[in-house]
Amino acid sequence: SQQGEEDPQALSIQEGENATMNCSYKTSINNLQWYRQNSGRGLVHLILIRSNEREKHSGRLRVTLDTSKKSSSLLITASRAADTASYFCATDKDTGRRALTFGSGTRLQVQP
Amino acid sequence: GAGVSQTPSNKVTEKGKYVELRCDPISGHTALYWYRQSLGQGPEFLIYFQGTGAADDSGLPNDRFFAVRPEGSVSTLKIQRTERGDSAVYLCASSLRGQGPYEQYFGPGTRLTVT
Repeated sequence: SQQGEEDPQALSIQEGENATMNCSYKTSINNLQWYRQNSGRGLVHLILIRSNEREKHSGRLRVTLDTSKKSSSLLITASRAADTASYFCATDKDTGRRALTFGSGTRLQVQP
Repeated sequence: GAGVSQTPSNKVTEKGKYVELRCDPISGHTALYWYRQSLGQGPEFLIYFQGTGAADDSGLPNDRFFAVRPEGSVSTLKIQRTERGDSAVYLCASSLRGQGPYEQYFGPGTRLTVT
């Protein structure tokens, strides 16, 4: 079963604009990660935020985490056509279980 | 190689047949995971190995699915009596043990089509 939901399901923007994707989850977590997937194949790890962190940056990526609301957001600034992909959040529960539980993803289209 | 590799990249089989999917994790990664991804969905967890043993197989959908990792490196996911509903992309990931939190590194996947 899917732990979380991404919002929106699909997003289309122009190159240079910022893209914001949101993720909600259901249970207490240890960490939350964001992954990118091109063409329905392998996932690429983007960024990890621990449950005791509120914000994290990596290049053009900014992730926030609100554990009280069980939600996270991924901001991609100054988007590029190459950012076109599906983006998934994934959580591992605080039960110590290593398996990641993924949301259903946001399909981002960046128009050149 | 530098990353996780999976073979074959595509597999087409007839309903009722047996298939094996292979995963080569990143060298030195002791944890290995199998996920399954249906079209338009996020990956769903199947099984997790720590070393040679299956530490968590709670995601396997039924007893037609089985996975092994006999030497703690390469893993094989085995599906017996395949059904059309088994069609999906099967993803393998690996991660380091002893460091947390655990980032998982994914392979390119095997696209299984059951006709």
